[in-house]
Amino acid sequence: EPEVTQTPSHQVTQMGQEVILRCVPISNHLYFYWYRQILGQKVEFLVSFYNNEISEKSEIFDDQFSVERPDGSNFTLKIRSTKLEDSAMYFCASSVVNTGNEQFFGPGTRLTVL
Amino acid sequence: DAKTTQPPSMDCAEGRAANLPCNHSTISGNEYVYWYRQIHSQGPQYIIHGLKNNETNEMASLIITEDRKSSTLILPHATLRDTAVYYCIVRVSSRGGSNYKLTFGKGTLLTVNP
Repeated sequence: EPEVTQTPSHQVTQMGQEVILRCVPISNHLYFYWYRQILGQKVEFLVSFYNNEISEKSEIFDDQFSVERPDGSNFTLKIRSTKLEDSAMYFCASSVVNTGNEQFFGPGTRLTVL
Repeated sequence: DAKTTQPPSMDCAEGRAANLPCNHSTISGNEYVYWYRQIHSQGPQYIIHGLKNNETNEMASLIITEDRKSSTLILPHATLRDTAVYYCIVRVSSRGGSNYKLTFGKGTLLTVNP
């Protein structure tokens, strides 16, 4: 069964460094998403992406964040200058456009900012 | 999107049916009820969704009341692997709606006991 994959599974970085989290969505999906979950808290929406542009973003997704689909398979989330509070699990998801629009999530990348 | 209310936790014996309730009294006519679950910090997993008719798939059944103000997710024969946080989310479908993001609440922690 096709699945969303994410790399790395765990990323440790120093405050102020740039990180890039990578995702490979399911191949025939057209919508892509990033969510995050700070330890012990709710899953929060960050951004959705369709047709090579951002469809919607939350207030969390400020100028430090960017997304890109550099080729036909990868979908990346970049954090330019990480802060301690960016430490979280980051989940990528993808979906097709149909009546349900159910989203399929990857296993997540645990980002630890020191 | 309409707000949902779920009990914070529930227990169920292995092999028995697990019935997870959700209240969504402010649901609009074009909003669907979605259920996802998250097993121990893994990525959320889609379970089922419905508009007003009861739905069943290989994972679960969804019973929506006639007034659509509440619903119940039924896992017919719960196993230990069904221990997870279950999220009830109300959202417009992709038809005519551009808001595809999922807004997660705190969900219900279902613990299946041996």
